Amino acid sequence: GAGVSQSPSNKVTEKGKDVELRCDPISGHTALYWYRQSLGQGLEFLIYFQGNSAPDKSGLPSDRFSAERTGGSVSTLTIQRTQQEDSAVYLCASSSIAGPSNEQFFGPGTRLTVL
Amino acid sequence: KNEVEQSPQNLTAQEGEFITINCSYSVGISALHWLQQHPGGGIVSLFMLSSGKKKHGRLIATINIQEKHSSLHITASHPRDSAVYICAPHSGGGADGLTFGKGTHLIIQP
Repeated sequence: GAGVSQSPSNKVTEKGKDVELRCDPISGHTALYWYRQSLGQGLEFLIYFQGNSAPDKSGLPSDRFSAERTGGSVSTLTIQRTQQEDSAVYLCASSSIAGPSNEQFFGPGTRLTVL
Repeated sequence: KNEVEQSPQNLTAQEGEFITINCSYSVGISALHWLQQHPGGGIVSLFMLSSGKKKHGRLIATINIQEKHSSLHITASHPRDSAVYICAPHSGGGADGLTFGKGTHLIIQP
């Protein structure tokens, strides 16, 4: 079956612009995660959606970052007024079982470059 | 916050060698993930374990909860095993309890 998909695969933007990154999880997966992987750094948790519960936003680095998940499926991560330090690969993962102790399926990521 | 250390950071080996990658963490956990990231970025979950040992093909993962240590072993290594291997312990609670190591860069030469 189809895995997790993300779009765009690459995004180059100018400092100060807003960007939207999209994630399509595996159908039926109720848990959805966003992570960021900066060059030379480990994965960093950003936000977690579980079903209809309020999202866990504890990993968002600033109020320029926000995310929503419509209809319990597709999710969009929005970065407003992008900065050069936002350049990273943004990864989405989904899981059929709630909780980060369970197996997650990762998308291919969106490579964001802020000039 | 859970401090995660992986060793070695980089490893180059010959095809057929037995490979061991280590992961140590500082905080008690409920589970630990091993992930594989290939060049190009795709990440695959290899194992999720909370105790003992798991085996999948040529891959074996072990964990010692008391010693806060896990190892990933690859038997009869092959060039296609070349990837970054990432350890991610979960200390429980919410998603911010999941911490990722910086990864071990493994290259298997033919």
